[in-house]
Amino acid sequence: EPEVTQTPSHQVTQMGQEVILRCVPISNHLYFYWYRQILGQKVEFLVSFYNNEISEKSEIFDDQFSVERPDGSNFTLKIRSTKLEDSAMYFCASSERAGGTYEQYFGPGTRLTVT
Amino acid sequence: KNQVEQSPQSLIILEGKNCTLQCNYTVSPFSNLRWYKQDTGRGPVSLTIMTFSENTKSNGRYTATLDADTKQSSLHITASQLSDSASYICVVSAVNDMRFGAGTRLTVKP
Repeated sequence: EPEVTQTPSHQVTQMGQEVILRCVPISNHLYFYWYRQILGQKVEFLVSFYNNEISEKSEIFDDQFSVERPDGSNFTLKIRSTKLEDSAMYFCASSERAGGTYEQYFGPGTRLTVT
Repeated sequence: KNQVEQSPQSLIILEGKNCTLQCNYTVSPFSNLRWYKQDTGRGPVSLTIMTFSENTKSNGRYTATLDADTKQSSLHITASQLSDSASYICVVSAVNDMRFGAGTRLTVKP
């Protein structure tokens, strides 16, 4: 069964460093998403991406964040200058279509630890 | 303000018993409501998706209900199994907004 994959599973970085989290969505899906979950808290929507551009973003997704689909298969989330409060689990998701009853499939997540 | 509240926060039941989890929301205008199961350290997995016109949907031992008038949903788990131990998250979408509840942590004991 096709699934969303994410790498790395765990990333440790120092405050102020740039990190890139990688995701490979399901191959026939057109919509891509990033979410984050701070330990013990709710999952929060960050951004959705379609047709090589951002379609929606939350207030969390500020200028420190960017997304890219560099090669038609990978979908990346870049954090330019990490802060301690960026430590969280980051989930990528993809769906065939947006909205309605189209299911979003989540990856296993990348645990980001900023020290 | 668009919000999703879930109750209880946590629940412990014995294997084989049934349970019901609650979700209240203020998200508007309503688009759809999803229930997800999230195992510790893993991504959420979809259980059910309901739109405005649907008031019940089943997926095996999971049955979700939706009352769009009172803005309430429930997830009923029948004949619980040890593998049902997880967090259950209610997610409510408006047209341009998607709100996650904090989840109910279910523990099924033998």
